[in-house]
Amino acid sequence: AQSVTQLGSHVSVSEGALVLLRCNYSSSVPPYLFWYVQYPNQGLQLLLKYTTGATLVKGINGFEAEFKKSETSFHLTKPSAHMSDAAEYFCAVLYGQNFVFGPGTRLSVLP
Amino acid sequence: GAVVSQHPSWVICKSGTSVKIECRSLDFQATTMFWYRQFPKQSLMLMATSNEGSKATYEQGVEKDKFLINHASLTLSTLTVTSAHPEDSSFYICSAAHGGQADYEQYFGPGTRLTVT
Repeated sequence: AQSVTQLGSHVSVSEGALVLLRCNYSSSVPPYLFWYVQYPNQGLQLLLKYTTGATLVKGINGFEAEFKKSETSFHLTKPSAHMSDAAEYFCAVLYGQNFVFGPGTRLSVLP
Repeated sequence: GAVVSQHPSWVICKSGTSVKIECRSLDFQATTMFWYRQFPKQSLMLMATSNEGSKATYEQGVEKDKFLINHASLTLSTLTVTSAHPEDSSFYICSAAHGGQADYEQYFGPGTRLTVT
């Protein structure tokens, strides 16, 4: 079965510090990979996606992620955290038309 | 563009009653819509996939007679929770996909919080 893991259910960083949220997937074929952000009581907002081409993908709000096939990873980074980045982040893999979501990582940003 | 709405945004109903949740694609035609369920502090779990004009495909373990899905048009899908019970209380999120093969993205609605008392 396809699966997505996110190391760390809760990550805390100081404002201005580097954000690193980890995502690993299991897939026997090249995947399509996504990162979504969810604010409380809201739906999902797409941060970025990888389908083909350049493995370093830039998204909204200063986030980027790098697809590393050899490591089956798609970690999300942001050089400098902002208070408004505090939210739940979900990594997802698209298999056919079906998404498989990771368990999520809650990001807290400390002043 | 690519906006998906859900109505209502939250609903409280009594145990044993039914509640309908609407999912609409506002500015595009969605040949496929998806319904997810999210328990507190958990991830999204796909419940079913619906294609316009055909029966929904339910994921294993999802009761099709309890969660009725209708995708009557290219812009509207509905999820009806029949004979709701407190354990059905959850956050329900829909998403919609364009019909084009090159578009892998699903656009998510804002979610509907259902509380069954």
